[in-house]
Amino acid sequence: AQTVTQSQPEMSVQEAETVTLSCTYDTSESDYYLFWYKQPPSRQMILVIRQEAYKQQNATENRFSVNFQKAAKSFSLKISDSQLGDAAMYFCAYIGSGDKLTFGTGTRLAVRP
Amino acid sequence: DAGVTQSPTHLIKTRGQHVTLRCSPISGHKSVSWYQQVLGQGPQFIFQYYEKEERGRGNFPDRFSARQFPNYSSELNVNALLLGDSALYLCASSLVQGFGTEAFFGQGTRLTVV
Repeated sequence: AQTVTQSQPEMSVQEAETVTLSCTYDTSESDYYLFWYKQPPSRQMILVIRQEAYKQQNATENRFSVNFQKAAKSFSLKISDSQLGDAAMYFCAYIGSGDKLTFGTGTRLAVRP
Repeated sequence: DAGVTQSPTHLIKTRGQHVTLRCSPISGHKSVSWYQQVLGQGPQFIFQYYEKEERGRGNFPDRFSARQFPNYSSELNVNALLLGDSALYLCASSLVQGFGTEAFFGQGTRLTVV
């Protein structure tokens, strides 16, 4: 079975600074997708960024980028120029052939003004 | 366009009761999945439905059941509620059932069992 581990329960960053959230996963599959979801207090999960495992190039979406290390099974999220609106729970998630998302336990990000 | 809508947003039930949660997917989306998110944890997969058929089931007891209607909306039913069923229940819809298809989430139903 696939597992996703987020070892940072909480992180804090100064507004306008950069922060990196960590995620590791375990799988025996060779083809899969990885995601970072943001869950603000409104509770709705919002997709931040996705990475296809067979693509070596790291995904980027505006201020958000990932460092995908397939051999190490690591998938970290970097948020540049942090904004107050970035404060939320961030979940790393995996999907393989089973078509179901497997989530980590989340990292709560606080942004200090 | 309306996103994924779930109802009700909150409800309180007593142990042993039954509950029905509802989900309307984004227009045109044919796949609906349900997740349970216990406080302080990540969401756990419960069910996936596509074209009105169950396509996946997570490690949940038979007290949990679901169905999808011809208009692709879905219901999640939980019988004989336990205190441990207290959680945020999330519905996600996607255009098709396919590898890596993006899932869009609703705001969830917060269920409290007392």
